[in-house]
Amino acid sequence: DVKVTQSSRYLVKRTGEKVFLECVQDMDHENMFWYRQDPGLGLRLIYFSYDVKMKEKGDIPEGYSVSREKKERFSLILESASTNQTAMYLCASSLKGAPSYEQYFGPGTRLTVT
Amino acid sequence: AQSVTQPDIHITVSEGASLELRCNYSYGATPYLFWYVQSPGQGLQLLLKYFSGDTLVQGIKGFEAEFKRSQSSFNLRKPSVHWSDAAEYFCAVVGNTDKLIFGTGTRLQVFP
Repeated sequence: DVKVTQSSRYLVKRTGEKVFLECVQDMDHENMFWYRQDPGLGLRLIYFSYDVKMKEKGDIPEGYSVSREKKERFSLILESASTNQTAMYLCASSLKGAPSYEQYFGPGTRLTVT
Repeated sequence: AQSVTQPDIHITVSEGASLELRCNYSYGATPYLFWYVQSPGQGLQLLLKYFSGDTLVQGIKGFEAEFKRSQSSFNLRKPSVHWSDAAEYFCAVVGNTDKLIFGTGTRLQVFP
């Protein structure tokens, strides 16, 4: 079974803190994605990566950055957390060749910024 | 721009009743379409997908979906709903930038 794990299920941070969300997949997938989920808005793509050291902006990259130093790991960074970044964050991965067609999701991290 | 519309925000059905969740997409070419399910507090799980061929697609957990090009729709159906089907359901399409575009979701509530 494909397994995508995320470092925390729940996280509470203060405004201005630097926040790291970690995602690890064990299926040797080339593609990895970070989404933000808000009620009534569905999932919105923050950043994605098709290879190690490679990253591309999605639809809502402002206030976020990412790092992919190893194939299996994709980190989302909030340089200075703000209350409007309170949301569910979902990581996903997929095989190369079908660029983003069939994605496997982690359980999500519910981040609260106070 | 491509988009996905799920017109029903919240649906309530009785256990054992049939279910249809609506999905409409906007895309010029032949779309790649998906339905995902998200149980409470969980990530998304793929229910089924349509790439080409037979327009009636079977998925996991007894779900099926039918692609209708003339209506730009990809509705999800289940003949008899179980209490464990209570979840949020997302329709998605692969857009021309090769990224998944998700609808806003439909929350399904099942009454015993």
